[in-house]
Amino acid sequence: GENVEQHPSTLSVQEGDSAVIKCTYSDSASNYFPWYKQELGKRPQLIIDIRSNVGEKKDQRIAVTLNKTAKHFSLHITETQPEDSAVYFCAASGDNKLSFGAGTTVTVRA
Amino acid sequence: ETGVTQSPTHLIKTRGQQVTLRCSSQSGHNTVSWYQQALGQGPQFIFQYYREEENGRGNFPPRFSGLQFPNYSSELNVNALELDDSALYLCASSWGLAIKPYIDNEQFFGPGTRLTVL
Repeated sequence: GENVEQHPSTLSVQEGDSAVIKCTYSDSASNYFPWYKQELGKRPQLIIDIRSNVGEKKDQRIAVTLNKTAKHFSLHITETQPEDSAVYFCAASGDNKLSFGAGTTVTVRA
Repeated sequence: ETGVTQSPTHLIKTRGQQVTLRCSSQSGHNTVSWYQQALGQGPQFIFQYYREEENGRGNFPPRFSGLQFPNYSSELNVNALELDDSALYLCASSWGLAIKPYIDNEQFFGPGTRLTVL
């Protein structure tokens, strides 16, 4: 089955700085890579996703890049704000069944 | 359009008991996936139901079973509860076609059921 590894497990950034989270996956058949944000006690919510036919996707302050050859993808958050503090999960899927990374706890310091 | 809902919110059981968790999918969705999220970890895929049939299963024992109803709501049943079953159980609904090549669509998560096994 698919194995997704995520780094780092914790990330502390100064407000206004950028945050980068990296994930690798094992199954070359995976073709869908969503990122979820989960605030304490709340449900995971999709913040951005990318498909294997695209190398990069942006949505305002959030961007995701995908390197299919190397089997890794990354989340970039620019101009971080306190409300960006949360746990972020990457996931990979090739058949509508998500395999998640272990999560990154992001703390934005004011 | 209503979102994904789950019940109950919290549940406390003892070892060996059985539990049923419920999920109402988002309007227009025909697929429900269940995930187990242990504290401090990412969600782990349990199984998926597509149009009332199981459509894939993760690495969970047979005492984890499920159902999907004609209105696409779903149940997760766990028999012979163990301490390690304590977790947040999330369901997610999506719209999909269970034919290859699979096209993943966004999965919308419910708020989860927090199960504690004592």
